Amino acid sequence: QSALTQPASVSGSPGQSITISCTGTSSDVGDYNSVSWYRQHPGKAPKLMIYDVTNRPSGVSIRFSGSKSGNTASLTISGLQAEDEADYYCCSYTSSNTYVFGTGTKVTVL
Amino acid sequence: QLQLQESGPGLVRPSETLSLTCSVSGGSISINSYYWVWIRQPPGKGLEWLGTIYYTGRTYYNPSLKSRVTISADTSKDQFSLNLRSVTAADTAVYYCARQPFGHYHMDVWGKGTTVAVSS
Repeated sequence: QSALTQPASVSGSPGQSITISCTGTSSDVGDYNSVSWYRQHPGKAPKLMIYDVTNRPSGVSIRFSGSKSGNTASLTISGLQAEDEADYYCCSYTSSNTYVFGTGTKVTVL
Repeated sequence: QLQLQESGPGLVRPSETLSLTCSVSGGSISINSYYWVWIRQPPGKGLEWLGTIYYTGRTYYNPSLKSRVTISADTSKDQFSLNLRSVTAADTAVYYCARQPFGHYHMDVWGKGTTVAVSS
């Protein structure tokens, strides 16, 4: 199974909005509403930010939102803050009963 | 509050078996509400799903590793384990254990991770 495709890097100024894409296939992203997003600060474990494409876990800021169209899912961070600077990974369930992560996106706050 | 803690050797020799244990505290792995997952991250690279176990013993594995990986659970100790056979330098990574709610497709609680190097 091939990793989902994410842009290597995305940047924005404080207060701006950015969107990270996650492109898969009809056998993963396109087939299930199962995309989740994780934020990972250097040296730390990943943290769940979005699940089931659009749902935010308790405690996660409303500045984080998710969506999906066809084989591409997206994570939008609005009102960008310094603490949002991190690596972000998408993940999807697949038709083979497995999971595949995205290639990862480094978010830089300018 | 549920916590997961990975443990095991930090150094494994090539061709040997990497064995890690995830200890669950503040909860039980025997309840039918969760799956238990292993994920790894090579240095400077992305995350890779290794496999999942349900408390009944049902397992799911990454097809790229299926012939080398075994995940098992010890419900009496609230632990689950990862065995990866015939390791090479490519298996050097931070290994994470995590919890996945049953009926969902995400990992909501993660351990802090443990670093394993494969080297002679």
